[in-house]
Amino acid sequence: DAKTTQPNSMESNEEEPVHLPCNHSTISGTDYIHWYRQLPSQGPEYVIHGLTSNVNNRMASLAIAEDRKSSTLILHRATLRDAAVYYCILGDSGNTPLVFGKGTRLSVIA
Amino acid sequence: GAVVSQHPSRVICKSGTSVKIECRSLDFQATTMFWYRQFPKQSLMLMATSNEGSKATYEQGVEKDKFLINHASLTLSTLTVTSAHPEDSSFYICSARGHHYTGELFFGEGSRLTVL
Repeated sequence: DAKTTQPNSMESNEEEPVHLPCNHSTISGTDYIHWYRQLPSQGPEYVIHGLTSNVNNRMASLAIAEDRKSSTLILHRATLRDAAVYYCILGDSGNTPLVFGKGTRLSVIA
Repeated sequence: GAVVSQHPSRVICKSGTSVKIECRSLDFQATTMFWYRQFPKQSLMLMATSNEGSKATYEQGVEKDKFLINHASLTLSTLTVTSAHPEDSSFYICSARGHHYTGELFFGEGSRLTVL
């Protein structure tokens, strides 16, 4: 499986933007970049995914490097409810399962 | 958005008994379901993949006779932990994917199993 590398933890102040990095230097041409987050004692929640172009949705933005070897999840204005573990995962568009790495634990300070 | 529901959310059982966890897709047909296990302070570990009407495919190291997975309908998959032991205590999470996969995988709320 293609692997991703994320910082173990990050901290942000409330109402400030957060940039969560992810390295995936062995990404293949068909791999999508997925981001999920997990709040304590809950199942993961979909955040965003993309292939080559930058993506925006109501939760976040995904900036993908031109060579696709890295990406950044952007939370435009962090709130206390955004405190969670964020997982960057590579996956195809078929039925293969998502394999979770260790993720980044985001703390948001009021 | 689509909803996946797990039941029970918490279960405590005695060592040696069997426990069944249900995973339901409430508003879509789940052609594929995945079961994960998560120990405290760790990431999710994939246990198995199940397609409706087929036998589940287990990941290496996961005992198929201990963790029985049934995906008999397009809206229900069950995980049965047989002869549970304290080391099986964990957070079990299911996820589901429908016919028209758009890149979003839907996860259940998780089921916390404690084996005494």
